[in-house]
Amino acid sequence: QKEVEQNSGPLSVPEGAIASLNCTYSDRGSQSFFWYRQYSGKSPELIMSIYSNGDKEDGRFTAQLNKASQYVSLLIRDSQPSDSATYLCAVRSGNTPLVFGKGTRLSVIA
Amino acid sequence: NAGVMQNPRHLVRRRGQEARLRCSPMKGHSHVYWYRQLPEEGLKFMVYLQKENIIDESGMPKERFSAEFPKEGPSILRIQQVVRGDSAAYFCASSPPAGPILFFGPGTRLTVL
Repeated sequence: QKEVEQNSGPLSVPEGAIASLNCTYSDRGSQSFFWYRQYSGKSPELIMSIYSNGDKEDGRFTAQLNKASQYVSLLIRDSQPSDSATYLCAVRSGNTPLVFGKGTRLSVIA
Repeated sequence: NAGVMQNPRHLVRRRGQEARLRCSPMKGHSHVYWYRQLPEEGLKFMVYLQKENIIDESGMPKERFSAEFPKEGPSILRIQQVVRGDSAAYFCASSPPAGPILFFGPGTRLTVL
């Protein structure tokens, strides 16, 4: 059974701070890793994808992958109230379907 | 370029009725996935289809649920004899043939009375 684990939160950070979201996965054969953002009542939207060990930066977002530790994280710099949402970690092996964690609720306090 | 389209956006059914959910993938995408999300829960995989083929239905309940993606037209997720526990948001996602990224539609929110 492939599993993806996330802290459910809520994670509360003040505006302007760095939010750090973490995720672990059980399948060592996983090759593709994704972070989706989901606002309440809306559908998931892709924030970041990462495929190799290390860091990948896109604007205020940085994804970090450590395959040896089976760990992937998302950092959000200069957090804004509009970043308040649930962040879903998703993992994929080859062409198998994406497996999602339950998500971490982030609240950015103005 | 239109994204993934789903209809209806909201669907209300009484117990025992049938629910039909439709999904049109993004242009150029031939792979369709259906996920279900219960309140306060994560997204659970149900079924993965390509045109005229079910590739993986390991997440689909054995009874009352079926899915198809015909040669022409949208993918359909069908739930027969709905029960209150079927109330959830049902999301469709699509991907291109060679790409790992899934793009999600707006979802259909099913309420069973």
